[in-house]
Amino acid sequence: DSGVTQTPKHLITATGQRVTLRCSPRSGDLSVYWYQQSLDQGLQFLIQYYNGEERAKGNILERFSAQQFPDLHSELNLSSLELGDSALYFCASSPRPKLVTNEQYFGPGTRLTVT
Amino acid sequence: QKEVEQDPGPLSVPEGAIVSLNCTYSNSAFQYFMWYRQYSRKGPELLMYTYSSGNKEDGRFTAQVDKSSKYISLFIRDSQPSDSATYLCAMIKGGSEKLVFGKGTKLTVNP
Repeated sequence: DSGVTQTPKHLITATGQRVTLRCSPRSGDLSVYWYQQSLDQGLQFLIQYYNGEERAKGNILERFSAQQFPDLHSELNLSSLELGDSALYFCASSPRPKLVTNEQYFGPGTRLTVT
Repeated sequence: QKEVEQDPGPLSVPEGAIVSLNCTYSNSAFQYFMWYRQYSRKGPELLMYTYSSGNKEDGRFTAQVDKSSKYISLFIRDSQPSDSATYLCAMIKGGSEKLVFGKGTKLTVNP
């Protein structure tokens, strides 16, 4: 158990809908990273927040947004969902703003299915 | 061309075999190299990391980096059924905050 929690575990929704995925980082970690894992693209970095502020952006679509709250939990919002958004969404946490190779811990993921 | 290429397999070996997993990359800016293991329906967990060319050993696992060839490898000795998982290579460019992953190789070790 990495100490990173994600809810829900599974989500099934229809095209055009909006969903929110939630992540709670490990105790003491201030950085939260979001990743998308699909069969086509593999595991791709979406966005990083550190202590409430956006720090780095990857291949995140404009239909997607994230935020980190004062209690350090983070939410990833996905809107106008398309079939291609079906994937596993992982969050990871680490203590520092800068990515250090051995300090990032992944949560168990949320499996999103868009029908 | 993707920045990081990894053969997705699947790879099936008998218990006790030596397993070799590989990734190639195209950008010489990558400085930090990692291998993650991902069991089915779980998040990736870090197995090994290195930032220099050469070998790094940890128990049955050896990570090898050849920066001149832009090639990294993970060797698993005396493979066990519990090693059955997907193995992902990952890299970070110097000064970047972004992990770039290979697509992963699915390994099955048969008892």
